[in-house]
Amino acid sequence: QQQVKQSPQSLIVQKGGISIINCAYENTAFDYFPWYQQFPGKGPALLIAIRPDVSEKKEGRFTISFNKSAKQFSLHIMDSQPGDSATYFCAATRGSARQLTFGSGTQLTVLP
Amino acid sequence: DTGVSQDPRHKITKRGQNVTFRCDPISEHNRLYWYRQTLGQGPEFLTYFQNEAQLEKSRLLSDRFSAERPKGSFSTLEIQRTEQGDSAMYLCASRPILRGGNRDGYGYTFGSGTRLTVV
Repeated sequence: QQQVKQSPQSLIVQKGGISIINCAYENTAFDYFPWYQQFPGKGPALLIAIRPDVSEKKEGRFTISFNKSAKQFSLHIMDSQPGDSATYFCAATRGSARQLTFGSGTQLTVLP
Repeated sequence: DTGVSQDPRHKITKRGQNVTFRCDPISEHNRLYWYRQTLGQGPEFLTYFQNEAQLEKSRLLSDRFSAERPKGSFSTLEIQRTEQGDSAMYLCASRPILRGGNRDGYGYTFGSGTRLTVV
């Protein structure tokens, strides 16, 4: 049972373009939605996160948009750079354990 | 101590053998998590500890898997009688218990993982 669905599976963007990755969740008990960036051979690293009482959060070139009624959230990377080429995972967490439920990942390639 | 350390980074083993992985968390982090990541997928939760107590285990953690965190410091994950389906990246993460009822998922730090290949 996939509780967090992520799309697209892969994304190719020109340098300077906007990268958009979408996620949808099923469990309304989720109360925190982080995005992680993972480079080959490394563990995931937190990029940006949002709570469901906020519709948008921006940190530098990275923005999360959150639609609670639709149970969807997305990551926008503005002015995408080749160094942004990595795999991006959306995630959700809930409960006292705060375990992360991850999406299946999006492999982003930014062309120079 | 600037991060979460995992050892070994890579492990190749024959089917049926036992393997053990080690994770050294950030020293002040009370909580330690194990995740498994297969190729092309997101990490999946296996188990977590608060100090030395193992508080939750996923259905993914079969009887062949056992995890310990003696004295609430480092943790080990052992897989007995390995199968080819166990081939994956095993990730360890730690985080502190935050104020305010631990409501936040923030503060996770992942290690670089142990890549297990069962041949």
